[in-house]
Amino acid sequence: AQTVTQSQPEMSVQEAETVTLSCTYDTSESDYYLFWYKQPPSRQMILVIRQEAYKQQNATENRFSVNFQKAAKSFSLKISDSQLGDAAMYFCAYRSGVTGANSKLTFGKGITLSVRP
Amino acid sequence: DTAVSQTPKYLVTQMGNDKSIKCEQNLGHDTMYWYKQDSKKFLKIMFSYNNKELIINETVPNRFSPKSPDKAHLNLHINSLELGDSAVYFCASSLTTATDTQYFGPGTRLTVL
Repeated sequence: AQTVTQSQPEMSVQEAETVTLSCTYDTSESDYYLFWYKQPPSRQMILVIRQEAYKQQNATENRFSVNFQKAAKSFSLKISDSQLGDAAMYFCAYRSGVTGANSKLTFGKGITLSVRP
Repeated sequence: DTAVSQTPKYLVTQMGNDKSIKCEQNLGHDTMYWYKQDSKKFLKIMFSYNNKELIINETVPNRFSPKSPDKAHLNLHINSLELGDSAVYFCASSLTTATDTQYFGPGTRLTVL
């Protein structure tokens, strides 16, 4: 079974600074997808960024980028120019590349990010 | 124009009652999911349906019964509610089981007293 580990429960960053959130995962599969979801106090789950395991290039979405290290099974999220609105809980998630019954997302425990003005 | 909607957003009820949570998506997706987020914020899959057919059924008490009347709707019925059922329940959908991105509803906070 696949597992996702987010070992830091909380992080804090100064507004306009850069912060990196860590995530490691364990799988025996070669084809899979990785995601970062943001959950603000409104509790809505918002997709921040996704990465396909077969792509070597790291995904980027505006101020958000990932450092995907497939051999190390590491998938960290970098937030540049942090904004007050980035304060939220962030979840790392894994999805198998196999379809059907393996289409579920497996989540890490999440990390609470606070942004200091 | 909400993509994935859930009703109700909040549900407070007594132990032993039966309740339902409804989910609808207007994205034209084939696959829908129920996830449970517990008091420690941990998210775990409960069920998934593809085109009205159950494809994922994790280890969930049989007091929980999903129903999919059509591929745009996936409802969750819970019998004999217990204190431990208090959680936030999220519905999600994806285009197909082969499509990786899942879109989440706003969640339903269930409180069992």
